[in-house]
Amino acid sequence: GQSLEQPSEVTAVEGAIVQINCTYQTSGFYGLSWYQQHDGGAPTFLSYNALDGLEETGRFSSFLSRSDSYGYLLLQELQMKDSASYFCAVRYSSASKIIFGSGTRLSIRP
Amino acid sequence: GAVVSQHPSRVICKSGTSVKIECRSLDFQATTMFWYRQFPKQSLMLMATSNEGSKATYEQGVEKDKFLINHASLTLSTLTVTSAHPEDSSFYICSARPYSGANVLTFGAGSRLTVL
Repeated sequence: GQSLEQPSEVTAVEGAIVQINCTYQTSGFYGLSWYQQHDGGAPTFLSYNALDGLEETGRFSSFLSRSDSYGYLLLQELQMKDSASYFCAVRYSSASKIIFGSGTRLSIRP
Repeated sequence: GAVVSQHPSRVICKSGTSVKIECRSLDFQATTMFWYRQFPKQSLMLMATSNEGSKATYEQGVEKDKFLINHASLTLSTLTVTSAHPEDSSFYICSARPYSGANVLTFGAGSRLTVL
């Protein structure tokens, strides 16, 4: 079967840095992506890693280690608007099927 | 950028009726679209893969006669929840690859279905 594990909740302070980890077990692997979802909204794409290493996009960075089946999303200079759920997702088939983790609810306090 | 439009955003219906949800790619052609279902504070569960001009591929445990999917054109896929029951109440989200070979998805805004 396919499974992705990530923490259910994380709390951080405005202006700080937070890391959300994701481990996966899938039948295939084509890449790890991260999505942000605010309450009542649709997921929006944040970052994608197909190869090992760090990808940086503004305040957000994402890391992948395929040998460890592990990745993380790093959020810097946290802002109140970053309070949301964050999902890691793995494309596991050539047909572009993507499976999502259970989501990490990030709460930011002043 | 690639935009996926989903309609309606909210719908309330009586038990036993059918509801149709539309998903359109506005500025690109999508040969494949994906339908997800999400319960409150839970993850997105892939229901089916919608293929233009052919039958949808359903994930294990998803009733194809209950959730009818039609992908009649390169820009439109529809999900019809037939004979809806209160347990079908959920957030339904469609998505598509913004271009051929893309490894990430563009999502519609979602449709919140409430069955009374």
